[in-house]
Amino acid sequence: DADVTQTPRNRITKTGKRIMLECSQTKGHDRMYWYRQDPGLGLRLIYYSFDVKDINKGEISDGYSVSRQAQAKFSLSLESAIPNQTALYFCATSRIGGELFFGEGSRLTVL
Amino acid sequence: SQQGEEDPQALSIQEGENATMNCSYKTSINNLQWYRQNSGRGLVHLILIRSNEREKHSGRLRVTLDTSKKSSSLLITASRAADTASYFCATEAIYNQGGKLIFGQGTELSVKP
Repeated sequence: DADVTQTPRNRITKTGKRIMLECSQTKGHDRMYWYRQDPGLGLRLIYYSFDVKDINKGEISDGYSVSRQAQAKFSLSLESAIPNQTALYFCATSRIGGELFFGEGSRLTVL
Repeated sequence: SQQGEEDPQALSIQEGENATMNCSYKTSINNLQWYRQNSGRGLVHLILIRSNEREKHSGRLRVTLDTSKKSSSLLITASRAADTASYFCATEAIYNQGGKLIFGQGTELSVKP
């Protein structure tokens, strides 16, 4: 099994719908992150969490919210999806001062 | 805004040649990391270099860091077709608590057999 698992892997939805992307990890790391990838823009940080009670906004948090349900689970929500949120979303985990471990990504298309 | 800027955006070489990618950043950092991404897949960590280090090696990879110029380079020696991928630098800025990594836009490397 993968260390970092994202669901769903692919999702097509319509403008205005609520979408949740889920992430779970078996690394035992305290730190979890959500990134968005668009062609030519690299990865941009949406939200990050250093422990269950610590959640912080990243570079592009507008239009997104997160929930850290447990050490191993970190979900990303789009309350009312819009077309420019069409992107590849990555969850990642790390320990303090260490490298990131990424999931395989969730490809979201908003029509 | 992006912390890291990478150069070139795209690089095409023949198998056996060396590939050099550069990364510049804006603020003081705790460390700089390089990642690889195969098309549409998750990123995989390659190497981490701390702000007090100048050079680091891992197999065919060599990373240098010049904090006075706020720049880093990744050298892949004797490239192989399997090295074809996108490569990203990421920086952990010194003003953070630690662990928040900001990525550059990436270099797309194509190694032709």
